[in-house]
Amino acid sequence: SQQGEEDPQALSIQEGENATMNCSYKTSINNLQWYRQNSGRGLVHLILIRSNEREKHSGRLRVTLDTSKKSSSLLITASRAADTASYFCATAAWDTPLVFGKGTRLSVIA
Amino acid sequence: DAGVIQSPRHEVTEMGQEVTLRCKPISGHDYLFWYRQTMMRGLELLIYFNNNVPIDDSGMPEDRFSAKMPNASFSTLKIQPSEPRDSAVYFCASSLHGGARSYNEQFFGPGTRLTVL
Repeated sequence: SQQGEEDPQALSIQEGENATMNCSYKTSINNLQWYRQNSGRGLVHLILIRSNEREKHSGRLRVTLDTSKKSSSLLITASRAADTASYFCATAAWDTPLVFGKGTRLSVIA
Repeated sequence: DAGVIQSPRHEVTEMGQEVTLRCKPISGHDYLFWYRQTMMRGLELLIYFNNNVPIDDSGMPEDRFSAKMPNASFSTLKIQPSEPRDSAVYFCASSLHGGARSYNEQFFGPGTRLTVL
């Protein structure tokens, strides 16, 4: 299965700290995406990184991709209470739709 | 655009009843996905459509589940008869195909929380 697995399953940090979440997957991919889900809501796309890219930034988000290790990381800098949510990685292989991991639950304490 | 619209937002029904969940994708999107989310199993892809045609329904758990997309702006997921183990949050998502056999970002609806008693 190409399913991504996030690590850690849960993370609790203080406001202002950085949060790092990791994702590992098993097969070759075309792209990897990160999504956020607030409690009781649908998933929201954060960032997409293609297999030929190594790093991507969007605001306070930084995503890295290491295809040799089949892993990705999501860094949220200067976290805020509003960043409290579950974060999912999703992998897309050729001709197959996204496969989501089980997510990392992030709690940012004010 | 209003985004992906799902109805109802909450559904409580009794075992054995028929349940119909509805989805309106974002206008212009050519892919539509139905997911089920539970604590135990996470987010599972049930079925997806391309240009209103079902492409892969291998994630549909049983024959009790069926999905249709009669036109580009409407899809339904039906469970008949429903069972308590069907209780979950059901999401609909839509996207534009990325070309070069790749898949772009998906836009999710708010979900339908289904409780089967």
